[in-house]
Amino acid sequence: GQNIDQPTEMTATEGAIVQINCTYQTSGFNGLFWYQQHAGEAPTFLSYNVLDGLEEKGRFSSFLSRSKGYSYLLLKELQMKDSASYLCAAVDSNYQLIWGAGTKLIIKP
Amino acid sequence: IAGITQAPTSQILAAGRRMTLRCTQDMRHNAMYWYRQDLGLGLRLIHYSNTAGTTGKGEVPDGYSVSRANTDDFPLTLASAVPSQTSVYFCASSESSADTQYFGPGTRLTVL
Repeated sequence: GQNIDQPTEMTATEGAIVQINCTYQTSGFNGLFWYQQHAGEAPTFLSYNVLDGLEEKGRFSSFLSRSKGYSYLLLKELQMKDSASYLCAAVDSNYQLIWGAGTKLIIKP
Repeated sequence: IAGITQAPTSQILAAGRRMTLRCTQDMRHNAMYWYRQDLGLGLRLIHYSNTAGTTGKGEVPDGYSVSRANTDDFPLTLASAVPSQTSVYFCASSESSADTQYFGPGTRLTVL
């Protein structure tokens, strides 16, 4: 079957760095998305990786290892507004997104 | 402002009633999707449409139907609502399948 695993909840301190991991098992693979979702709001796009390596976009970076079925989202210089859920989604061979349940990130002052 | 809209924002519905959730996008995206989101389960695909005139079943299609008469609109119908359909429903669109999906604001549906 197809499966996405990510931690349910993480806590970090304002100004620090946090890494949110995601492992995936899909029938075929055509890339991996990260989305941010604030409570009561819609998911918004953060990043897309299809090749191995690190993609940096400001304070947020996303890494992919296709051979390991693994990705992470790295958030630097954490701000209170980064408190949200972070959703990992892999694209399968039918070009459908398989979603993880999301990681709730709590930022403490 | 380009984007994707959903209506209603929220709804309380008696079990057995018929309900249509509306979704409209003005980005001329080919693909559209309906998801439901429940606590601890993440987003689950109900139905999708890769282009106007075609639809497909997702992970949890039972009890739901969709149509795609034109590019912009993708309504989701619950023929006879049941309490297990209580959820937050998100509509999304993308230029084509596997492209970045953009989400509407969601509809919070409660079936009593």
